[in-house]
Amino acid sequence: NAGVTQTPKFRILKIGQSMTLQCAQDMNHNYMYWYRQDPGMGLKLIYYSVGAGITDKGEVPNGYNVSRSTTEDFPLRLELAAPSQTSVYFCASSYPEMNSPLHFGNGTRLTVT
Amino acid sequence: ILNVEQSPQSLHVQEGDSTNFTCSFPSSNFYALHWYRWETAKSPEALFVMTLNGDEKKKGRISATLNTKEGYSYLYIKGSQPEDSATYLCAFFYNQGGKLIFGQGTELSVKP
Repeated sequence: NAGVTQTPKFRILKIGQSMTLQCAQDMNHNYMYWYRQDPGMGLKLIYYSVGAGITDKGEVPNGYNVSRSTTEDFPLRLELAAPSQTSVYFCASSYPEMNSPLHFGNGTRLTVT
Repeated sequence: ILNVEQSPQSLHVQEGDSTNFTCSFPSSNFYALHWYRWETAKSPEALFVMTLNGDEKKKGRISATLNTKEGYSYLYIKGSQPEDSATYLCAFFYNQGGKLIFGQGTELSVKP
């Protein structure tokens, strides 16, 4: 199993550009999450999904969109990138039980200049 | 407001010291609490998942306790080693719908 795969690993965007961060998992996990790493703030939840066709907002959803058309994939779309979106983005997945730990991808480091 | 608070924010100890940190969460409607270990330049890895009041979990020199009625969990490291240096995160399930919120983490540095 590859686990949780995030692409790209690094990206530099200009202000106003758009991009999609890809996340795929091969563990048949129902739950998938997008977090961003803010210095001194741990991980902030952007969006999450409990299954194909179901998504919900987290703590910091503004400026982002998601879709979940399959169990395996959970892409995160940035529209009109802003410097405040410079961060490391982590995708994670788990089985649909609250006692099931998250499995994280390796992260995508995004810089918006 | 979704409040998961961790203290202290950072901790510097000598090799061999024992240490502990706190995770505070809302005491109403408890579902589950997770602890993760996050080394620099890596991804977080799960340490413990705790679901019952009074739960105690142990993995080697690291252990955790849970008090759901008062809304806190403690993580203990006995005899800290330099390889224990990492950020320790707790995460709280806010509902049965999968919303998992992290605290800001405790950064531990263990000096040889």
